[in-house]
Amino acid sequence: DQQVKQNSPSLSVQEGRISILNCDYTNSMFDYFLWYKKYPAEGPTFLISISSIKDKNEDGRFTVFLNKSAKHLSLHIVPSQPGDSAVYFCAAPQGGKLIFGQGTELSVKP
Amino acid sequence: EAEVAQSPRYKITEKSQAVAFWCDPISGHATLYWYRQILGQGPELLVQFQDESVVDDSQLPKDRFSAERLKGVDSTLKIQPAELGDSAMYLCASSLDGQAWYEQYFGPGTRLTVT
Repeated sequence: DQQVKQNSPSLSVQEGRISILNCDYTNSMFDYFLWYKKYPAEGPTFLISISSIKDKNEDGRFTVFLNKSAKHLSLHIVPSQPGDSAVYFCAAPQGGKLIFGQGTELSVKP
Repeated sequence: EAEVAQSPRYKITEKSQAVAFWCDPISGHATLYWYRQILGQGPELLVQFQDESVVDDSQLPKDRFSAERLKGVDSTLKIQPAELGDSAMYLCASSLDGQAWYEQYFGPGTRLTVT
């Protein structure tokens, strides 16, 4: 049972445009969400998070939006840069561990 | 900047052989995690340590996998015997206690190929 889902395995965006990565979850008890970024041959690195008491959190070019009624969150990257090309995972804490989505591979074209 | 260290980075082994992976977490991080990531999927927790104690190993295939963190610092994950389906990236992560546990710091991983 996949509690955190990223239904788009890949996304291609032009440099300078907006990248929008989506994540859906099924467990309404989740109260915190994180986004991790992973380059090839490296481990995931923490990018940004959001608590369920908020609907938006912004950090520079990265903004995460949370829609609790739809059980949906999204990561916006504006403007997108070639260095943003990576796999992005959303994750939620549950019972002391993180539940990860399947990941979305973002490719930003120059 | 402090990092989680893992070795080896790559390992190729034949099925039925034994393999071992090592992880050294960030100094001061009491919690250590081993994840397995299959290509095209997200990381899945295998085992979690709090200091030297196992907190969660519910997803660890205990017939062939074992993990230890004897002194509450570095950790070893072992597979014996390896099977073809064990081919994956094995990631180690660590975190501080308290609210900060959400933000886990990952090592570079060990890419295991079983032939």
